Amino acid sequence: DQQVKQNSPSLSVQEGRISILNCDYTNSMFDYFLWYKKYPAEGPTFLISISSIKDKNEDGRFTVFLNKSAKHLSLHIVPSQPGDSAVYFCAASDNNDMRFGAGTRLTVKP
Amino acid sequence: DTGVSQDPRHKITKRGQNVTFRCDPISEHNRLYWYRQTLGQGPEFLTYFQNEAQLEKSRLLSDRFSAERPKGSFSTLEIQRTEQGDSAMYLCASSRGGLISNYGYTFGSGTRLTVV
Repeated sequence: DQQVKQNSPSLSVQEGRISILNCDYTNSMFDYFLWYKKYPAEGPTFLISISSIKDKNEDGRFTVFLNKSAKHLSLHIVPSQPGDSAVYFCAASDNNDMRFGAGTRLTVKP
Repeated sequence: DTGVSQDPRHKITKRGQNVTFRCDPISEHNRLYWYRQTLGQGPEFLTYFQNEAQLEKSRLLSDRFSAERPKGSFSTLEIQRTEQGDSAMYLCASSRGGLISNYGYTFGSGTRLTVV
């Protein structure tokens, strides 16, 4: 059951521009949403999260937006840097476990 | 603390053999999770422990899969009678407390299993 979906398997942006990664979910019981970043041969690394009671959370170049009515969240990276190139996973939690999307591979070109 | 450690990093086994993976979580984390990740997919939840208690195991993929955390510290994941479809990355993660924190889980680097 794909409760968390990332419909774009890949995204390519120019250095300095904005990267927008999208995620949709189906379970209204999720109360935390998280973004993880994964480099090859490493486990996912936590990036940023947002509680279901908020609609925006910002941490430096990274901002996560949550639209509960649309069951949609997005991660904005601005400005994008070549070191941001990785696979980004969206995840949602209902406190018992965490469900992940299939990931979006971001490539930031110099 | 060096984070979540998983051993081995890679395992190649013949179909039908049993394999066991180990995970050492961050010492102050009382929750430990096992996930499986196949190519092109996100991590798929298998099971988790709070201290030594296994609180969810219905999502283990089959009865060939089992996990233990006997003293509430390290954990092992065993796959019996491996099949080629078991080839995947097996990820362990740990977290603090009973609630999902703002900081998510800390993942290990995973054990890549190849069944030939």
